[in-house]
Amino acid sequence: DTGVSQNPRHKITKRGQNVTFRCDPISEHNRLYWYRQTLGQGPEFLTYFQNEAQLEKSRLLSDRFSAERPKGSFSTLEIQRTEQGDSAMYLCATRPTADRIKIDYEQYFGPGTRLTVT
Amino acid sequence: KQEVTQIPAALSVPEGENLVLNCSFTDSAIYNLQWFRQDPGKGLTSLLLIQSSQREQTSGRLNASLDKSSGRSTLYIAASQPGDSATYLCGKTGTSYGKLTFGQGTILTVHP
Repeated sequence: DTGVSQNPRHKITKRGQNVTFRCDPISEHNRLYWYRQTLGQGPEFLTYFQNEAQLEKSRLLSDRFSAERPKGSFSTLEIQRTEQGDSAMYLCATRPTADRIKIDYEQYFGPGTRLTVT
Repeated sequence: KQEVTQIPAALSVPEGENLVLNCSFTDSAIYNLQWFRQDPGKGLTSLLLIQSSQREQTSGRLNASLDKSSGRSTLYIAASQPGDSATYLCGKTGTSYGKLTFGQGTILTVHP
């Protein structure tokens, strides 16, 4: 257990429905990342937050996807009008900002949310 | 074009064997390289992180090296055990803020 939690762990939904996932980071980790992983592939970057600011979005993040991180704590990832191609594992990772005393570049991953769109 | 490539895609070895997993990257701009383990249906567990200024890191039976000039990293596992069976992923960051670009992974099976 890395200390990063994700809910729900599994989600089955019908095509066209909206889904929302939540990620709770390790306390005081101000950097948060979302990745998507399909079967047999490595994770692919979706978006990045530093505190509450969303600083980068991948081209993979279509208009149907939106992510938020209010108050710089937990984050949500919403997919609207789900499609079968959205079926994947959605992973959240967090990291502290490196400071001069202790440099910690490691990303700590949550257990993921497995989405199945039928 | 795959930016990060891992070879082999799958590996099956008998218990006790020493083994090497390879990771190569095409973009020489590298900030850190991180090796992960992933068990089926689970998230990623960090094994080792090598900063771009370092050449290797060790943790127990694991040793990871980084050669920026050739664009390669290797993960060495000594005296493999059945519990080492998992998918091993390497990911590189090109900037300090740490967006990871991953390879497709190596599926390792260690049989008794």
